[in-house]
Amino acid sequence: SQTIHQWPATLVQPVGSPLSLECTVEGTSNPNLYWYRQAAGRGLQLLFYSVGIGQISSEVPQNLSASRPQDRQFILSSKKLLLSDSGFYLCAWSEVGGSTYEQYFGPGTRLTVT
Amino acid sequence: AQKITQTQPGMFVQEKEAVTLDCTYDTSDPSYGLFWYKQPSSGEMIFLIYQGSYDQQNATEGRYSLNFQKARKSANLVISASQLGDSAMYFCAMREGRSGGSYIPTFGRGTSLIVHP
Repeated sequence: SQTIHQWPATLVQPVGSPLSLECTVEGTSNPNLYWYRQAAGRGLQLLFYSVGIGQISSEVPQNLSASRPQDRQFILSSKKLLLSDSGFYLCAWSEVGGSTYEQYFGPGTRLTVT
Repeated sequence: AQKITQTQPGMFVQEKEAVTLDCTYDTSDPSYGLFWYKQPSSGEMIFLIYQGSYDQQNATEGRYSLNFQKARKSANLVISASQLGDSAMYFCAMREGRSGGSYIPTFGRGTSLIVHP
C-alpha cells in the first residue's frame, strides 16, 4: 500500500531564516506531487506541483521554491522566511494513469514564523 | 468566478442522524471529477468519495454517498448515521480536463461539521 510522509510535523522559525520541508511517497512510482498551504480556518492554496523528476510548476509567485530530486521526493524550500509564510503545509500525491486522480495527503507541517 | 461553492460554513447534527453538506460547481468541461475530503482537527486531508461526470449512478462509500445532480451542477455529500468521529472540516473539490497531465483540483472553502452526542 502507498504511504506519504512529511517532516517535520511542527516548526517554529524566525523571519529571514531558511526553510526546508520534505515529503516522500512509498509504494508507487512516478506520482504527481503537490504542495499546498492552508492558512488558519481557510481552504487549500496550491503552491507547486510536479509531474516528474525536475519538473516543477509554480502556481503562486512568492519566496518559496520546490524541487523534486528523486521520483518520490518533493521538497519545499525558502531562502528567507516571511511572517506571511506561516501556515499549515500539506504534501499530496495522485496516481498517473488512473481514472479518478484523487489526491492522498500527508500529515502536514505546521509552520510558525516569528 | 468560484468554481466550487460550499455555502454552509458550519453545520450541526445529532449523533446517529443523517446530514447533507452542500457543494455546487461551475465548469464548461464535459469531463470532470468531483471529490470530497475530510479534514479532522489533526490536519490530515482524507479522501472520502469520488464522482465522475459520466457516472450514471451516485457514488457511495460506506456511510458516505454523493448526491450528484448534473443539471443543477450540484454534488452534495450525505453522511448517514453520523458519529462523533465525523466532526471535522469537509472540502468539496473538482478537477477539469487536463493540465499538463497533473489533473489539478480546485477546492471549496469547506464546511465545518460538528456532531453532538
